[in-house]
Amino acid sequence: DAKTTQPNSMESNEEEPVHLPCNHSTISGTDYIHWYRQLPSQGPEYVIHGLTSNVNNRMASLAIAEDRKSSTLILHRATLRDAAVYYCILRDGPLYSGGGADGLTFGKGTHLIIQP
Amino acid sequence: KAGVTQTPRYLIKTRGQQVTLSCSPISGHRSVSWYQQTPGQGLQFLFEYFSETQRNKGNFPGRFSGRQFSNSRSEMNVSTLELGDSALYLCASSLARGTGYTEAFFGQGTRLTVV
Repeated sequence: DAKTTQPNSMESNEEEPVHLPCNHSTISGTDYIHWYRQLPSQGPEYVIHGLTSNVNNRMASLAIAEDRKSSTLILHRATLRDAAVYYCILRDGPLYSGGGADGLTFGKGTHLIIQP
Repeated sequence: KAGVTQTPRYLIKTRGQQVTLSCSPISGHRSVSWYQQTPGQGLQFLFEYFSETQRNKGNFPGRFSGRQFSNSRSEMNVSTLELGDSALYLCASSLARGTGYTEAFFGQGTRLTVV
């Protein structure tokens, strides 16, 4: 899986929008952009994923740059429960991704701190 | 529907012993992956099983092994435990294997402490 770069930490205030950036300059044409988050003392939780177009779901929005070399996870109104480590991960799209580890490659992620 | 279930949640073992961890995926999911999480190395992929066959393995020694049963439930085994094996072991299930367009659902993990 291609590599992603995220800030180590970000801080935001409760009830304000949060924009979490991710750079993935070596993304290939078949890589999907996935976001997971891990709350304290829990397993990672799927947030959202997309390929080229912006995506929205009940948890967040994903804005993908036109050249796909960067993306931004948007939490529209942060709550204290959104404090977590957020991971941006690239996953190859085709059904059989061929040789190599087939798991998710987690980097260090962004530690999001929400101030009340 | 029920999520991914991992048992036990906590485990304390002595160096040199072996341990078996269990994972029940979401009903209908056929792919099960295992991960190790430590403060120093973060989340690292161990291996993935699909249709009872190991499809891929991460960079871990042969002491780490696993299997998947016909009902998709999976177990992982660590033999000759070392202090460095202390970690949170996470299991994830997916509808299909290795695809970029499906999400993985994680369990709460098993916290293993080796003393």
